[in-house]
Amino acid sequence: EDQVTQSPEALRLQEGESSSLNCSYTVSGLRGLFWYRQDPGKGPEFLFTLYSAGEEKEKERLKATLTKKESFLHITAPKPEDSATYLCAVQVIGRDDKIIFGKGTRLHILP
Amino acid sequence: DGGITQSPKYLFRKEGQNVTLSCEQNLNHDAMYWYRQDPGQGLRLIYYSQIVNDFQKGDIAEGYSVSREKKESFPLTVTSAQKNPTAFYLCASSKGGGREPHNEQFFGPGTRLTVL
Repeated sequence: EDQVTQSPEALRLQEGESSSLNCSYTVSGLRGLFWYRQDPGKGPEFLFTLYSAGEEKEKERLKATLTKKESFLHITAPKPEDSATYLCAVQVIGRDDKIIFGKGTRLHILP
Repeated sequence: DGGITQSPKYLFRKEGQNVTLSCEQNLNHDAMYWYRQDPGQGLRLIYYSQIVNDFQKGDIAEGYSVSREKKESFPLTVTSAQKNPTAFYLCASSKGGGREPHNEQFFGPGTRLTVL
């Protein structure tokens, strides 16, 4: 069964304390992996798309990487405004090319 | 500005009533989606449409209905048959409808539905 698991469920960091969020996936075939940021009560905001193992993308303090089994979202020297829920989703190669979302990681950056 | 709008932001419904949530996009995207988000759960797909006048059931379509008469619009009706409709509803659109390489989804601000 196709599955996406994000860990940890929640993470509290001090401002400036770098860390990584994990998205592991088990799918029959990967067409793409997406990262989103979601603030409370709002819709998810698109961050990155990764297509193949070894690919990396960066945006400000965020860097996303992809292997054949998982993706990491690295957060370097985070600020309180980086606090949000980060969602991972995978698009599975198949008849419908369905997209499966993980449950997200709630990140809280303390000033 | 291009984007996706959803209305209303908050919606209250009495049990037994149908209610329609609006979703409009001006991104010229072919595909549109409806998700439901509950606390502690991932986004669950209700319906999706890859082209005008065509739509497909997602994982939790029971008790919901949609239409896609225009490329820009994809309204969702929550019917009285939906057993537990209180949730946060998200509409999204993407350029491609499936096998396109650039299929990242762009989301609206959401509608919070509460059944009284």
